[in-house]
Amino acid sequence: AQTVTQSQPEMSVQEAETVTLSCTYDTSESDYYLFWYKQPPSRQMILVIRQEAYKQQNATENRFSVNFQKAAKSFSLKISDSQLGDAAMYFCAYRSSNYQLIWGAGTKLIIKP
Amino acid sequence: DGGITQSPKYLFRKEGQNVTLSCEQNLNHDAMYWYRQDPGQGLRLIYYSQIVNDFQKGDIAEGYSVSREKKESFPLTVTSAQKNPTAFYLCASGRQNNNEQFFGPGTRLTVL
Repeated sequence: AQTVTQSQPEMSVQEAETVTLSCTYDTSESDYYLFWYKQPPSRQMILVIRQEAYKQQNATENRFSVNFQKAAKSFSLKISDSQLGDAAMYFCAYRSSNYQLIWGAGTKLIIKP
Repeated sequence: DGGITQSPKYLFRKEGQNVTLSCEQNLNHDAMYWYRQDPGQGLRLIYYSQIVNDFQKGDIAEGYSVSREKKESFPLTVTSAQKNPTAFYLCASGRQNNNEQFFGPGTRLTVL
């Protein structure tokens, strides 16, 4: 069975600085998708970025980018120029072959002004 | 506007009572999902449905039931058999076999 691990329960970063959130996963599948979702205090789950496993190029969405290391089964999220609005819980998720999402436990990101 | 709605936002229930959480979407998505979120944990899948009149159990289906009579609607009933129902419940939808799930705003259920 697939598993997703986020080893950092909480991270903090100074406003305008860069922070990296870690995620590792375990799977025997070769074709899959990985996601980072953001859950602000409103608790609305919002998709931040998506990575297809067959693509070697790391996905980028404005200030958000990933470092996808398929062999190491690692999928970290880098947030550049951190803003106060980035404060939230961040969840890493793996989409299995039956289209279900498997979730990590989340990392709470604190932005220091 | 297109989206997913869940109601109510907050729900209180006495022990021994069944309660139904609403989830409606107007995105024309085939697939719908129910998740439970507890503090310090990721989301856990309760039930999902890929098509009308069909649904499958997720990882923690015991004590819950669902129906999918319409494409737009996927209500979740928390029964008295659910031993620890106090949690935050999230509904999601997506195109069949697609990669992204869109989430509703959630319902906070508290058992008194």
